[in-house]
Amino acid sequence: RKEVEQDPGPFNVPEGATVAFNCTYSNSASQSFFWYRQDCRKEPKLLMSVYSSGNEDGRFTAQLNRASQYISLLIRDSKLSDSATYLCVVNDYGGSQGNLIFGKGTKLSVKP
Amino acid sequence: EADIYQTPRYLVIGTGKKITLECSQTMGHDKMYWYQQDPGMELHLIHYSYGVNSTEKGDLSSESTVSRIRTEHFPLTLESARPSHTSQYLCASSEPTGFNEKLFFGSGTQLSVL
Repeated sequence: RKEVEQDPGPFNVPEGATVAFNCTYSNSASQSFFWYRQDCRKEPKLLMSVYSSGNEDGRFTAQLNRASQYISLLIRDSKLSDSATYLCVVNDYGGSQGNLIFGKGTKLSVKP
Repeated sequence: EADIYQTPRYLVIGTGKKITLECSQTMGHDKMYWYQQDPGMELHLIHYSYGVNSTEKGDLSSESTVSRIRTEHFPLTLESARPSHTSQYLCASSEPTGFNEKLFFGSGTQLSVL
């Protein structure tokens, strides 16, 4: 079983749509969680951390469900510029991957 | 903006050559990483370092080696490049803030071995 799993997509949505991505992780002892954004042929960049109580940054809302071991990212009123791959990242202390585990990413394509 | 730099940005080289990909950061971060990523595919961790004189192998087997003689510098070396090494190589460093470790990536080196 993969340690961090994401729906690969692609999610093709019209401008203005609301889109939600989910990510599941296998280690219940995981301590912190992030969403990164990666544009085509560019490096990943931190989009937002995911806090236990949920957090919002403008049109983006991240939530964590520890009981079910999943993280979500909601994008409201999507823009053309939101088109990218969204990577779920879990900081897994004591693990073997340098403590940071990346999902394969979910590709989003926002169309006019 | 993060201060982490990779050179060269693009490298096209023949089989059998020795190459070194440079990575430097000016943020004083102890932890640094090398990832390999093919187009449209996931990131694979190939090496990481907790600090000076520390190097560890990641989950993806790699024929490359790394060194960490200075905090700010984490070069990756391939002794004999092969076409199978063609890929994008991304260097990163992390800002340790307890559990909330955040990664900063360089712009990457796109390596093509002919």
